[in-house]
Amino acid sequence: DAGVTQSPTHLIKTRGQHVTLRCSPISGHKSVSWYQQVLGQGPQFIFQYYEKEERGRGNFPDRFSARQFPNYSSELNVNALLLGDSALYLCASSLGPETEAFFGQGTRLTVV
Amino acid sequence: AQSVTQPDIHITVSEGASLELRCNYSYGATPYLFWYVQSPGQGLQLLLKYFSGDTLVQGIKGFEAEFKRSQSSFNLRKPSVHWSDAAEYFCAVVPMDSSYKLIFGSGTRLLVRP
Repeated sequence: DAGVTQSPTHLIKTRGQHVTLRCSPISGHKSVSWYQQVLGQGPQFIFQYYEKEERGRGNFPDRFSARQFPNYSSELNVNALLLGDSALYLCASSLGPETEAFFGQGTRLTVV
Repeated sequence: AQSVTQPDIHITVSEGASLELRCNYSYGATPYLFWYVQSPGQGLQLLLKYFSGDTLVQGIKGFEAEFKRSQSSFNLRKPSVHWSDAAEYFCAVVPMDSSYKLIFGSGTRLLVRP
């Protein structure tokens, strides 16, 4: 069975640019959450989506946005990249908004 | 303030020795409690979880954790560590008053001596 898949696995961007990260949930899972993990820290919650609706938002600036598509895949968008946005971005999927989350391998974003 | 604390940044144990990783939380009501493991450059794998009931929880890979309400703790244990257990371990909670938003501690890196 395919797990949570994220793309790309790595990317390098320049300050001020825009980035889009993608996540495909486990088949049958309708909820997707995004986390940011800065080196040396635990993951920080960014967004949760369920049935294409935003269910929760963490303490991140408006430069961060996300959406969920009819097939339950999701995109995380970050505008006007800052050096501090360099991190591992993790996607997690679950059957519903209050059930166990399964994590993907993450996208390593480096902003230079 | 609501928080999850893992007081040990690094722990080194010898292969075959026992292990205990500490986790304390600060929330008004007992949250859902989790332990995750992360190998270098990898995502997170769930080791075990506690929602309610028996306070001693068994997980995968021979790990267990004990919930102690009086101490607001959820410590992870393993009786005999293997070299493959070397990784970063994260304690996490889902507060009862929020959506399913995992709040993670800062992690404990486990090093295993041969």
